[in-house]
Amino acid sequence: QSVLTQPPSVSGAPGQRVSISCTGNSSNIGAGYDVHWYHQLPGAAPKLLIYGNINRPSGVPDRFSGSKSGTSASLAITGLQAEDEAEYYCQSYDTSLSAWVFGGGTKLTVL
Amino acid sequence: EVQLVESGGGLVKPGGSLRLSCAASGFTFNKYNINWVRQAPGRGLEWVSSISGITNHIYYADSVKGRFTISRDDAQNSLHLQMNSLRGEDTAVYYCVKSSWQNDFFDYWGQGTLVTVAS
Repeated sequence: QSVLTQPPSVSGAPGQRVSISCTGNSSNIGAGYDVHWYHQLPGAAPKLLIYGNINRPSGVPDRFSGSKSGTSASLAITGLQAEDEAEYYCQSYDTSLSAWVFGGGTKLTVL
Repeated sequence: EVQLVESGGGLVKPGGSLRLSCAASGFTFNKYNINWVRQAPGRGLEWVSSISGITNHIYYADSVKGRFTISRDDAQNSLHLQMNSLRGEDTAVYYCVKSSWQNDFFDYWGQGTLVTVAS
């Protein structure tokens, strides 16, 4: 059981918008720690997608955006493309565990 | 270009030991925290251990505390993970991961090395 909760799967048609939620508690996201997002293609290593809740590393398209409110965060993807099909993970820090923690991952399927 | 290359994975029996290594390049190694993050087959990501740059402060997940030891050699730009008393649940791909300057997220990942614990 992951400390951060994500839906196991989401799906959308090409061109549509999807969002992935990440729910924590008062020891992690609610304590003010930032949320970061990674995506992982099958057989590949994870790659940073969003950092500091809303920031995109160089090279990440602006179709990807992040937000945070209270004890939750969200990743939105607009203009879905086939290449977006991947596993997506949120990550934060948990002060009660003294550990960096991840969500369980969300499999995005592009229909 | 930042590169992190892991080595040392393999098949080991329960109760056995294994030492992973990570060769880093493309950044000022001694200034950054470096981590091990693992992923069991078909499962999600789990942070395992971290060692800070300069001060060498060390942190472990509860699941490996007392069994795993992280170390770094700044002269060789390398990171190591000594894994003892291995269990089946330690079976995973182990990634060497660089922390951001603020040490709150992971900005570069290696390709990983597979550790299989089985009799």
